[in-house]
Amino acid sequence: QVQLQESGPGLVKSSQTLSLTCTVSGGSISSGTHYWSWIRQPAGKGLEWVGRIYSTGSTNQNPSLKSRVTISVDTSKNQFSLKLSSVTAADTAVYYCARGVVVPGAHDAFDVWGQGTMVTVSS
Amino acid sequence: DIQMTQSPSSLSTSVGDRVTITCRASQSIITYLNWYQQKPGKAPKLLIFTTSNLQSGVPSRFSGSGSGTDFTLTISSLQPEDFATYYCQQSYSTLYTFGQGTKLEIK
Repeated sequence: QVQLQESGPGLVKSSQTLSLTCTVSGGSISSGTHYWSWIRQPAGKGLEWVGRIYSTGSTNQNPSLKSRVTISVDTSKNQFSLKLSSVTAADTAVYYCARGVVVPGAHDAFDVWGQGTMVTVSS
Repeated sequence: DIQMTQSPSSLSTSVGDRVTITCRASQSIITYLNWYQQKPGKAPKLLIFTTSNLQSGVPSRFSGSGSGTDFTLTISSLQPEDFATYYCQQSYSTLYTFGQGTKLEIK
């Protein structure tokens, strides 16, 4: 079955850029009915959707982060990535990558998740 | 943004109890409502999609209902492994949003 695994630095300095990669195994990132998302969760708090990308490269981002978020895909490596610029302590969170499965007019949900990776922004 | 509000925020319950969690959207989301279960230190797990469809492998004691702005997740007979935090999430808008979570605790 499809598995997702996040990777990247666990510590990022304030004002710098957070960079994470999600590697997809057990299936192709180029599936037409799926998209690939980043979701984050500050310690003890709820879930916040960061953004998504299709294998075509089409993206959507959370407007609250949009100017700082870049999501890209590398189909040859079966990976997608997140870059979040100008980070502050408020960006400290567990970052999850997740697969979205969408059937237009029917359903749209995150059905496979990575284990998550903790990113701390330090001053 | 579509705001999702869950109630209660926490609930002390016992094994065998019937549990109902409510999720309210700030506008109609038709039936584009999903439920996730999250255990400490783990990623969320999809339980129910599009209001009432059980994800493969999820026990039948979980069920969902609702439409428009009001939705419920029901666990018919709580099992020890069900003590967790539950989140609703709307997928009506591409700006996906989650409820704040409902934590089920052992009474």
